Amino acid sequence: SQTIHQWPATLVQPVGSPLSLECTVEGTSNPNLYWYRQAAGRGLQLLFYSVGIGQISSEVPQNLSASRPQDRQFILSSKKLLLSDSGFYLCAWTDRLRSPLHFGNGTRLTVT
Amino acid sequence: TQLLEQSPQFLSIQEGENLTVYCNSSSVFSSLQWYRQEPGEGPVLLVTVVTGGEVKKLKRLTFQFGDARKDSSLHITAAQPGDTGLYLCAPTGANNLFFGTGTRLTVIP
Repeated sequence: SQTIHQWPATLVQPVGSPLSLECTVEGTSNPNLYWYRQAAGRGLQLLFYSVGIGQISSEVPQNLSASRPQDRQFILSSKKLLLSDSGFYLCAWTDRLRSPLHFGNGTRLTVT
Repeated sequence: TQLLEQSPQFLSIQEGENLTVYCNSSSVFSSLQWYRQEPGEGPVLLVTVVTGGEVKKLKRLTFQFGDARKDSSLHITAAQPGDTGLYLCAPTGANNLFFGTGTRLTVIP
C-alpha cells in the first residue's frame, strides 16, 4: 500500500532562518507531488507541484522554493523565513488526474 | 489559478439539523472532488463527481454536480458532531490541483 511521510510535525524557527521540509512517498512510482500551505482557519493554498524528477511548477511567487531530487521525494525550502511563512504545510500525492489527493500529516511551522 | 468560491464560509448548527454547502465557479470542470479536513490533519477525499447533473450519496451526505459542471453542492442530513470539519471542493483534470475557499462546519451536540 502507498504511504506518505512528512516531517517534522512541528517547527519553530526565527525570522531570517532557513527552512527545509521533506516529504517522501512509498508504494507508487512517478506520482504527482504537491505542497500546500494553510493559514490558521483558512483554506489550502497551492504552492508548488511536480509531475516528475526535477520538474517544479510554482503557483505563488514568494521566498519559498521546492525541489524533487528523487521520484518520490519532495522538498520545500527557504533561505530566509518571514513571519508570513507561518502556517500548516501539507504535502500530497496523486497518481492520476482524477484520483484522490493523499495528504501527509502536515508540518505546523511557526516563525517567531 | 481559477477562483472556486464556497459558501457559506462558516456554518454552526445544532445536531440533527440539515445543511447545504455550495461550491461555485465561472469555469467548467471535467470533474470535482469534495474533501473533509479535521483540525491538525490533511484533507480526506469524500467523493468525486464526474457527470453534469450527477448525484452521489455517501450515507447522510448527498453530493450534486451542476448540469453545466460549474458548481456543486453538498447536503448533509441530520448532522452529527462527527461531521464537524472544513469541507473543501477541488476540480480535477489538470496537474495544478487547487482548492475552493472552504466551508468550516461546526455541529453542536
